[in-house]
Amino acid sequence: AQSVTQPDIHITVSEGASLELRCNYSYGATPYLFWYVQSPGQGLQLLLKYFSGDTLVQGIKGFEAEFKRSQSSFNLRKPSVHWSDAAEYFCAVDADSGGGADGLTFGKGTHLIIQP
Amino acid sequence: AAGVIQSPRHLIKEKRETATLKCYPIPRHDTVYWYQQGPGQDPQFLISFYEKMQSDKGSIPDRFSAQQFSDYHSELNMSSLELGDSALYFCASSLGRGVEQYFGPGTRLTVT
Repeated sequence: AQSVTQPDIHITVSEGASLELRCNYSYGATPYLFWYVQSPGQGLQLLLKYFSGDTLVQGIKGFEAEFKRSQSSFNLRKPSVHWSDAAEYFCAVDADSGGGADGLTFGKGTHLIIQP
Repeated sequence: AAGVIQSPRHLIKEKRETATLKCYPIPRHDTVYWYQQGPGQDPQFLISFYEKMQSDKGSIPDRFSAQQFSDYHSELNMSSLELGDSALYFCASSLGRGVEQYFGPGTRLTVT
């Protein structure tokens, strides 16, 4: 079965500093990959997605992610964080990547704290 | 832009009662997914529907059932509620299968 690992439960970053959140997946083929953000008590907002093609994908709010097949990774980055970026970040996989309406498998999430 | 609508947003039930959660997908979206997120947990996939037919099944308890109607809205029916069913229940929708899912704000269910 596919799995998603987010090694960092909490990350603290100073406002204006760069950010990288790690995500590794376990799956035989290349899955569809997503990053979602969740503010407390809120729904999940899609930041970006990777299906195929260019391995560096751009998302909303200045986020980007790079797919590295050799490392089975899909790390999320932002060059300069803002206090409003404080939230829970989830990496997710759609491992079927075929034609089914498959549920996503999520990582455990990374809680991002922004220091002033 | 229109988003996924879920109702109610909050629901309090007692043990052994039943609950019905509703989801209205983004207009023109034909696929609906249900997820359960316990406190401090990641969302767990329950079930999905495509064109009103069940498409994929995850960790949905036998006490739960769901369906998608002709207007593509979906309902999650939960019976014999247990304390452990207290969670945020998310609905997501997509246009077709195997594409990105857009999540609603969730229904917070509290079982007492």
